Amino acid sequence: DAGVTQSPTHLIKTRGQQVTLRCSPKSGHDTVSWYQQALGQGPQFIFQYYEEEERQRGNFPDRFSGHQFPNYSSELNVNALLLGDSALYLCASSWGRINEKLFFGSGTQLSVL
Amino acid sequence: QQQVKQSPQSLIVQKGGISIINCAYENTAFDYFPWYQQFPGKGPALLIAIRPDVSEKKEGRFTISFNKSAKQFSLHIMDSQPGDSATYFCAASIAGNTPLVFGKGTRLSVIA
Repeated sequence: DAGVTQSPTHLIKTRGQQVTLRCSPKSGHDTVSWYQQALGQGPQFIFQYYEEEERQRGNFPDRFSGHQFPNYSSELNVNALLLGDSALYLCASSWGRINEKLFFGSGTQLSVL
Repeated sequence: QQQVKQSPQSLIVQKGGISIINCAYENTAFDYFPWYQQFPGKGPALLIAIRPDVSEKKEGRFTISFNKSAKQFSLHIMDSQPGDSATYFCAASIAGNTPLVFGKGTRLSVIA
């Protein structure tokens, strides 16, 4: 049983560019949440997708957007990258919009130069 | 405003000793308190979780102690092993319906 898979594992971009990160949830899960983890910090909630709609959103600007597909996989898009967007982006899956028993992927390390 | 405060920032424990990590929360509506373990290059993994209706929960060598009146909860790792060396995060949520709010993490090193 595959867990949560994220791609790519590492990414280097320059300021102003746009980036798309991808996530496939654990088998049987239908809810995907995205978190940003800065170096030395705990994960911070970006948003949650369920039934292909954004259901909850954290304190992140509109430059951060997402999408969920019918197969429950998800994308995180970040426009107009800033140096401060450099972080580990984590995808977590769960079932039924519940934020308990989250299963996290290994993340995408984004570096903005 | 940080809703979950975690301490210490780092911890060094001898093999076989007890590791203790503490968290304090502000929002009294929180009622789900998980602990996550993260190894370098990996995402956090759920270790153990507790709800306020019990004061303690034990799973193997890991125990959560919960003090509702003090708004504090802690993770105890008994017989700590070098393989326990990782970063530990406490978190909190309301009925599992609100996003998890994480502490800043504690880097645990267990030395032989």
